[in-house]
Amino acid sequence: EVQLVESGGGLVQPGGSLRISCAAAGFTFSSYWMTWVRQAPGKGLEWVANIKQDGSDKVYVDSVKGRFTVSRDNAKNSLFLQMNSLRVEDTAVYYCAAYSSSAPSYWGQGTLVTVSS
Amino acid sequence: DVVMTQSPISLPVTLGQPVSISCRSSQSLVHSSGNTYLNWFQQRPGQSPRRLIYKVSYWDSGVPDRFSGSGSGSDFTLKISRVEAEDVGVYYCMQSTHWPYSFGQGTKLEIK
Repeated sequence: EVQLVESGGGLVQPGGSLRISCAAAGFTFSSYWMTWVRQAPGKGLEWVANIKQDGSDKVYVDSVKGRFTVSRDNAKNSLFLQMNSLRVEDTAVYYCAAYSSSAPSYWGQGTLVTVSS
Repeated sequence: DVVMTQSPISLPVTLGQPVSISCRSSQSLVHSSGNTYLNWFQQRPGQSPRRLIYKVSYWDSGVPDRFSGSGSGSDFTLKISRVEAEDVGVYYCMQSTHWPYSFGQGTKLEIK
C-alpha cells in the first residue's frame, strides 16, 4: 500500500524557517517525480514545487522562488521542503504527492504550517 | 502562467441527478508530446485530495464509472452521471502541461 506521511509542520514567526518532510513507503520512491502542494485555510489547492526522480530538476511557483528549496533522499525514501523567510501568506496545509501519468496521484495527509507572530 | 477557471463555484444537487463541472484554461493544454495533461481531483471534507481523472478522460483505479472527463484544447468537463451522497466535496481541475502547474479555484458540490 502506498503511504506518504508528512511531518515537521508547526508555528513559526514571520521571517523564520522550517523544514518539513515526507516519508514514502509502498512504492519505488526513486522512480517518481514528487511534488509539494499547499492549501491555505478554507482555500483552494496551490502547486508549490516539483522535483525529478534523481533530484536534478526542480521547479517552483514564483511566490516561493528563492525562499523554498525542495530536495529528496532516495536512500531514505524521503522528500523535504526547506522554507526560509516565511510569510504570513505561507500559512497552509502542505501536502506531498507522487506523480503518475504526469499528475499527482498518491497524496499524503498533509502537515500544517502556521506563520504568525 | 496558465489560469484555470472552473464553473460553477457552488453546485447544489439532488441525489441521483447528473451534474457537470466546466474547466477552462487560458491557453491550450496540448503538450508538445501530443498529450493533454488535464486532471480532476476530488477533496472530500477533512480529507486529502484524490485524483479521479488524468489526461482528460482516463479513470484512476477505484473511481466509479459514474465519473467521466471530456474535452480538448482549453475546454474541459467533469460529469457525474448520478450524484451519490459520498460525492460531496470540492472538485478541482489541474493542468500539468505548462510550468508552473496550476489548479482551478474549485467547485463545491453539496446535496440539496
